[in-house]
Amino acid sequence: AQSVSQHNHHVILSEAASLELGCNYSYGGTVNLFWYVQYPGQHLQLLLKYFSGDPLVKGIKGFEAEFIKSKFSFNLRKPSVQWSDTAEYFCAVNALRDSSYKLIFGSGTRLLVRP
Amino acid sequence: GAGVSQSPRYKVAKRGQDVALRCDPISGHVSLFWYQQALGQGPEFLTYFQNEAQLDKSGLPSDRFFAERPEGSVSTLKIQRTQQEDSAVYLCASSFSSGGGDEQFFGPGTRLTVL
Repeated sequence: AQSVSQHNHHVILSEAASLELGCNYSYGGTVNLFWYVQYPGQHLQLLLKYFSGDPLVKGIKGFEAEFIKSKFSFNLRKPSVQWSDTAEYFCAVNALRDSSYKLIFGSGTRLLVRP
Repeated sequence: GAGVSQSPRYKVAKRGQDVALRCDPISGHVSLFWYQQALGQGPEFLTYFQNEAQLDKSGLPSDRFFAERPEGSVSTLKIQRTQQEDSAVYLCASSFSSGGGDEQFFGPGTRLTVL
């Protein structure tokens, strides 16, 4: 069965620190990869996605992620975080062979950025 | 805005009661998904509709869970004889087409508490 692992459940950073959140998935076929973010009191929203092509994907608010196929990884990065980045971040996968296009989510990483 | 809406936002039920949760997807979106998010976990897939057809219900945890989308727009998730383990946030998402790469737009969720 497909699964997604997010290694860091809680991350605390100071403003201007660099961020990297790990995401690994288990599925041998072709996948689409996503990072979703949930700000306090808000609903899930898309941060960035990878379908094909350049493995380095740029998203909103200065976030980027790199797809490394050989490592089954899709880590999220931001060079300098802001207090407003405090949120919960979810990595998600859907398998192109899966005709329902459902997303398989990781358990999430809670990021707290201290001013 | 014209996002995904869900009602009610909060529902408290006594064990054994039936509940109905409503989802209004973005107008014109073909695909509709239901997810269940337990405390501290990522969303887990329940079921998928393409227009009015329920193409995947493999994630429904028991036959007490039933979903419908009779006219291809609004969807209802019904849980019969609720149990304490049904307590969770129920998320609805919609996407424009039936393709796997489409962004899924999430609603705010319904938080169900079963006493």
